[in-house]
Amino acid sequence: GDSVTQMEGPVTLSEEAFLTINCTYTATGYPSLFWYVQYPGEGLQLLLKATKADDKGSNKGFEATYRKETTSFHLEKGSVQVSDSAVYFCALSSSNAGNMLTFGGGTRLMVKP
Amino acid sequence: EAGVAQSPRYKIIEKRQSVAFWCNPISGHATLYWYQQILGQGPKLLIQFQNNGVVDDSQLPKDRFSAERLKGVDSTLKIQPAKLEDSAVYLCASSLDRTGETQYFGPGTRLLVL
Repeated sequence: GDSVTQMEGPVTLSEEAFLTINCTYTATGYPSLFWYVQYPGEGLQLLLKATKADDKGSNKGFEATYRKETTSFHLEKGSVQVSDSAVYFCALSSSNAGNMLTFGGGTRLMVKP
Repeated sequence: EAGVAQSPRYKIIEKRQSVAFWCNPISGHATLYWYQQILGQGPKLLIQFQNNGVVDDSQLPKDRFSAERLKGVDSTLKIQPAKLEDSAVYLCASSLDRTGETQYFGPGTRLLVL
């Protein structure tokens, strides 16, 4: 079945550091890929998405590129802020699986001033 | 536009008791999802509704969990009887339709079973 693997956290960075959170997936067909973010005490929010190979999703300074050849969708940001501290979830949805979302385990990011 | 509403936000019960969670999706969203998120893990889909019909409940433990969406709008998820391993956050999400449209999540209900 479909699965998503992302790097374990926590990831601790200083403000203005470069961020990469790795995400790889296994799926049949051509899934859509997502990054969701969960701030402390809040629900999941869609951060960005990409629906086909080589698409780049971007939002709030975050970017991720759909790489079919490496089955990856790594999340990057050039300069993190304290307010980016949250848990980040990589996910996929596949038409072969009724478009249900399959999530990775989440990566906690802590940004220190 | 109002988001997905869930209640209660927190619930503490003893094992073998029953509990119910309520979700009101974004107005006009035909598809509603219930997820279970165990501490330290990603959310896992329990059940998916399209209007008032069940699309996928393959991961719902049907011996103790049930869910309904009678009028195709709000939904209730019930656990009876609860077990210790049901302690988790129960998330409700909705989307316009089933075609992979973005899912919008509510704040969740945090359940602790003692």
